[in-house]
Amino acid sequence: QVQLVESGGGVVQPGRSLRLSCAASGFTFRDYAIYWVRQAPGKGLEWVAVIGYDGSNKYYADAVKGRFTISRDNSNNTLYLQMISLRAEDTAVYYCARRRIGDRAYMDVWGKGTTVTVSS
Amino acid sequence: DIQLAQSPSFLSASVGDRVTITCRASQGISSDLAWYQQKPGKAPKLLIYAASTLQSGVPSRFSGSGSGTEFTLTISSLQPEDFATYYCQQVNSYPLTFGGGTKVEIK
Repeated sequence: QVQLVESGGGVVQPGRSLRLSCAASGFTFRDYAIYWVRQAPGKGLEWVAVIGYDGSNKYYADAVKGRFTISRDNSNNTLYLQMISLRAEDTAVYYCARRRIGDRAYMDVWGKGTTVTVSS
Repeated sequence: DIQLAQSPSFLSASVGDRVTITCRASQGISSDLAWYQQKPGKAPKLLIYAASTLQSGVPSRFSGSGSGTEFTLTISSLQPEDFATYYCQQVNSYPLTFGGGTKVEIK
């Protein structure tokens, strides 16, 4: 079935780095743009980044611009989020989500999320 | 950035009730709005896109309406599995933004 599975979360000290992965299955990964969305504990949803189907277009939220890098490997059906200079406010569950086919950025398939905790 | 204001932030209702949640955008976004449902510890689920189009597999008791700056999500007859938090999201322009959420709890 159509599935996204995140991994790579954990506890990390402020200022350190972490790389998240999102493994896709059940659909043609290279045909879809993919998002990262995060949710801080007890808070709402926050869009983080998006990458186009072929990796040529990338956009970031201001809160992570210059610190996070989104990338993808279409040969291995995997999305990545490289995070550097992590801050306490980056603590959240990180979800990857598929962009629904069409001309608007709706998110029709979500992973279960991976938890990132930034703490000393 | 486009801000989305959801109301109410919390709603207490009974099974069978008709429930309406409102989402107001800080500027016009045409019909570029989605609604998501999120249950505790789970990922969000797309319910409605393009303001009023039901995502495949979503029960018909859910409906959406509106355009421009004011939108509503209606649940015609609340079921036990509908108790959750609901978010609106605008996809008109980057950065994509979400409303603050409406938590629907059992009365």
